[in-house]
Order: sequence, then C-alpha cells, then structure tokens
Amino acid sequence: DAGITQSPRHKVTETGTPVTLRCHQTENHRYMYWYRQDPGHGLRLIHYSYGVKDTDKGEVSDGYSVSRSKTEDFLLTLESATSSQTSVYFCAINQQGVGEKLFFGSGTQLSVL
Amino acid sequence: TQLLEQSPQFLSIQEGENLTVYCNSSSVFSSLQWYRQEPGEGPVLLVTVVTGGEVKKLKRLTFQFGDARKDSSLHITAAQPGDTGLYLCAAAVTNDYKLSFGAGTTVTVRA
Repeated sequence: DAGITQSPRHKVTETGTPVTLRCHQTENHRYMYWYRQDPGHGLRLIHYSYGVKDTDKGEVSDGYSVSRSKTEDFLLTLESATSSQTSVYFCAINQQGVGEKLFFGSGTQLSVL
Repeated sequence: TQLLEQSPQFLSIQEGENLTVYCNSSSVFSSLQWYRQEPGEGPVLLVTVVTGGEVKKLKRLTFQFGDARKDSSLHITAAQPGDTGLYLCAAAVTNDYKLSFGAGTTVTVRA
C-alpha cells in the first residue's frame, strides 16, 4: 500500500470555523490531489499540487485553499466552513500526473453543523 | 453536468450472476481508468485502458474501451460477494490534464 496518511479521519465542526485537513505521504511523489466525494457526484477535484509551492485549482475550489511547503505534506483549508462542505475528503498522489495510477488515502469524514 | 455518465447507479445481484457497468461520455479520452472502492476506504485502481477497442481481463473482470475512446464497460462474470463495492470510472479529456470521475455504480452481490 502507498504510504498516504490523512488526518484527522473524522471531524465535526461548526459553521464559520476554520478547518485544516492534512495529507502526508512517504512515497516522494510529485503530484498530490484533494478530492471530495458526495453521493451522486462521485469524486470531484478541489485542488492539486505539482510540486512544492506549486498548486492549481480543480473544478470545485471555491471556499478552499491549499498549501504545500514540503514534498510530503499537502494541506487543505476551509477558511470558514459551511454546511455545503460536509463531505468525505480524499487525498491522492502519483508521480507523473494525469493518466497515471492514483493512490488514495483512507479519507476524512467532515461534518459541518 | 457530469463528464462521465455511469450506469446503472445501483446494481444488486445474486452470487454467480454476471453484471455489466457502463461509463459513457461525449468526449474523447486519452485513457480511462476503473477503480473499486470499499466502505471507509479510498478507491483502488483496477485497470487503465489506453487504446480504442482495447479489452483487458483481470480474472473474472473484463474491461473494454470503446473504439472511439468515448466509452467503456466493466463486465464481471460469476460475481462473488467479494466483488461488492463502488465502481468508479475516471478519465482525462485529450486536451485537458485533470482527471474526472463518474458518479459510480454501487454493486451488491448477495450470497
């Protein structure tokens, strides 16, 4: 199994509070991705990174920001959480980008009340 | 609008039966992947198809990529309870570099 750790695994928070989710990899892969998974929508890309300090937006980036200061860590921040951001968040990694196999973490279940 | 349309959304069959899951789009893809996801876990890659018309077999699973590279199917022969899970297709449009996922097909195989 690819060495990907997501933390926390579960989180409950209140509307308007900031939340940061962490993805840590031990594979030294170049690309890291944040997806959210909602019933009926599958996985939707929030942001991705193609190197340290190199990030770009995905299809559902509004309300989210990311940072990657080290190869192994990719942080997803909800500046002011809303109920519509209740979801399961997955981090994924690969070395060569699109078209190559994605390795996924086990996910973070986030509930915004 | 979903780039990749998967059908059916849900499928419940008896052990030993066959099933087919479809992934369709109006876009042309450079490659297409199939993943399987179990509850509480992230998706795991089953196969990647690249060439139009390509057929790949993985034990009892057969994957086909359409000739025009716009659609794909996953066929499971003699399904077993261990095949239960969410099956997702994913692809990148030829002039784009982001991977898009279908909404998934939830397969339940009853013993």
